[in-house]
Amino acid sequence: NAGVTQTPKFQVLKTGQSMTLQCAQDMNHNSMYWYRQDPGMGLRLIYYSASEGTTDKGEVPNGYNVSRLNKREFSLRLESAAPSQTSVYFCASSEDREVGYGYTFGSGTRLTVV
Amino acid sequence: AQSVAQPEDQVNVAEGNPLTVKCTYSVSGNPYLFWYVQYPNRGLQFLLKYITGDNLVKGSYGFEAEFNKSQTSFHLKKPSALVSDSALYFCAVRDATWGGNKLTFGTGTQLKVEL
Repeated sequence: NAGVTQTPKFQVLKTGQSMTLQCAQDMNHNSMYWYRQDPGMGLRLIYYSASEGTTDKGEVPNGYNVSRLNKREFSLRLESAAPSQTSVYFCASSEDREVGYGYTFGSGTRLTVV
Repeated sequence: AQSVAQPEDQVNVAEGNPLTVKCTYSVSGNPYLFWYVQYPNRGLQFLLKYITGDNLVKGSYGFEAEFNKSQTSFHLKKPSALVSDSALYFCAVRDATWGGNKLTFGTGTQLKVEL
């Protein structure tokens, strides 16, 4: 089925460890996004990419880096994980040439940093 | 800047009763408005959107939302709630004039439908 695929689904890290969250979409969308979801705070934008080769900071970029490897893939890297980065991470994509297009979300990565 | 507020953390409704989940927004230009639903351990799923035209928008699973420009609101409604509607609901806004590609989400409202 077409959509947004995230890996892994679950991950436990020790403080200071690094990891990369992978995201791929097969809908030929231009824009891709990384959000984190925390109780009572909704979804907050970490980074986004309006097109292949470009990335921009969102609301909460500190402690993260991203790579838009090609049109399909957008990865999120934690260089030195901290307990404050315990969260559920969602990747999304959108086709912005269509007026008012919304987002398609992946199923999420539940990350725990101990 | 664009923002959206969901004033209720939780809404409780009896099955068969009408439900309303509230959302107000703030944008500089014209708004594109969205509702998404999240079931436990799942990603967000699109329910409906307002772009232009009729103020009453119909979406998936019998949900509808009413756009009110004067009150800057976009409340989600359903005439008869089902237990299976229990989930986390997010309102989102995109400034059609100035917001670029980004959606801004509210903090979410937990809907609980009881027998």
